[in-house]
Amino acid sequence: DSGVTQTPKHLITATGQRVTLRCSPRSGDLSVYWYQQSLDQGLQFLIQYYNGEERAKGNILERFSAQQFPDLHSELNLSSLELGDSALYFCASSPTWDRGNGYTFGSGTRLTVV
Amino acid sequence: GESVGLHLPTLSVQEGDNSIINCAYSNSASDYFIWYKQESGKGPQFIIDIRSNMDKRQGQRVTVLLNKTVKHLSLQIAATQPGDSAVYFCAEKAGGSSGSARQLTFGSGTQLTVLP
Repeated sequence: DSGVTQTPKHLITATGQRVTLRCSPRSGDLSVYWYQQSLDQGLQFLIQYYNGEERAKGNILERFSAQQFPDLHSELNLSSLELGDSALYFCASSPTWDRGNGYTFGSGTRLTVV
Repeated sequence: GESVGLHLPTLSVQEGDNSIINCAYSNSASDYFIWYKQESGKGPQFIIDIRSNMDKRQGQRVTVLLNKTVKHLSLQIAATQPGDSAVYFCAEKAGGSSGSARQLTFGSGTQLTVLP
């Protein structure tokens, strides 16, 4: 157990729908990162939050959004889902926003869009 | 844009042999590198890291070598065991003050298979 908790582990939904993925960071970590892992793209950085504020954005679609709550858990919202959104979504956390070194990853949420 | 890539998508080694996994990076501003191991159904797990002011770092059964001249990173696993079978990713982090620039950029991964 890495200390980063992601729920749900698996999610199957239809095109056009909206889903919310949840992440609880490791105790004491203030930064949360979201990554998308698909077969043809590898691990792609989506977005980072630090202590409740958005810190950096990567290749995140406009249909996707995220937030980090006062208790530091984070949610990634995916809307108007398309078949191509099927992927593993990982959350990672680190103690700080920049000086943190390696990230601690959760086990991921496997999203299947049918 | 900048990218991190791996030379080989798959690598098969005999149990007990040493494994070498290679990675090329293109961002000369990168100053921090990490190797991750990802087993099936799990998230990436930190193995070892190295900063750009070093050229070698050793851990338990693993060694990372950094050649900044040719922008090359390698992971050496000694006495490879069945439990080492996984996908290995290199990742880089560039220096700078931009929040995005400090994110980890991952390579495409190498599947290591340990043969009995």
